Amino acid sequence: KAGVTQTPRYLIKTRGQQVTLSCSPISGHRSVSWYQQTPGQGLQFLFEYFSETQRNKGNFPGRFSGRQFSNSRSEMNVSTLELGDSALYLCASSLATGRETQYFGPGTRLLVL
Amino acid sequence: DAKTTQPPSMDCAEGRAANLPCNHSTISGNEYVYWYRQIHSQGPQYIIHGLKNNETNEMASLIITEDRKSSTLILPHATLRDTAVYYCIVRVANNAGNMLTFGGGTRLMVKP
Repeated sequence: KAGVTQTPRYLIKTRGQQVTLSCSPISGHRSVSWYQQTPGQGLQFLFEYFSETQRNKGNFPGRFSGRQFSNSRSEMNVSTLELGDSALYLCASSLATGRETQYFGPGTRLLVL
Repeated sequence: DAKTTQPPSMDCAEGRAANLPCNHSTISGNEYVYWYRQIHSQGPQYIIHGLKNNETNEMASLIITEDRKSSTLILPHATLRDTAVYYCIVRVANNAGNMLTFGGGTRLMVKP
């Protein structure tokens, strides 16, 4: 069974632009979570989607948003990019509820110049 | 804030057992202990989890103290490929969602 896939793997943007990252969960998994990892703040939870609905949200500004499609694929969007948004963005999927193990993708490394 | 405390770094000789401690003194009765590891710039990899009994799988063993206030992840025969940051996480396993709260983790360096 294929793992979690994320596209693109690397991205360079400039301040003020917006970016969309994509995540395809493991087949059969319906929950998708997003995390941001920076050297200063470590791994931080952004949000989680289940059945096309946002179920949990971390402490990030409204510039960070996401959505989930009926096939469980998910996208996250960051608008008005700032230098501090440079990070590794990780997606994780699990079967459904909070009882199952999450499996992470390889991440998308975003550099904002 | 993370509910766990881990040493920031540890060394281990190749072929020896690596014992990674984790303190979770405020753990609740319905919280599980999860371990993930992250090899440089890759996504975290699930290792093992447990509630109160010791657990073993093909990767590692998890020893949880009887009072559940601490645990130890054991890699029985560490290899150079086990060099990574190891995260100990406590979380409630219910239907409320999948948020994981990561702390700083332990950077394990396996040396030849």
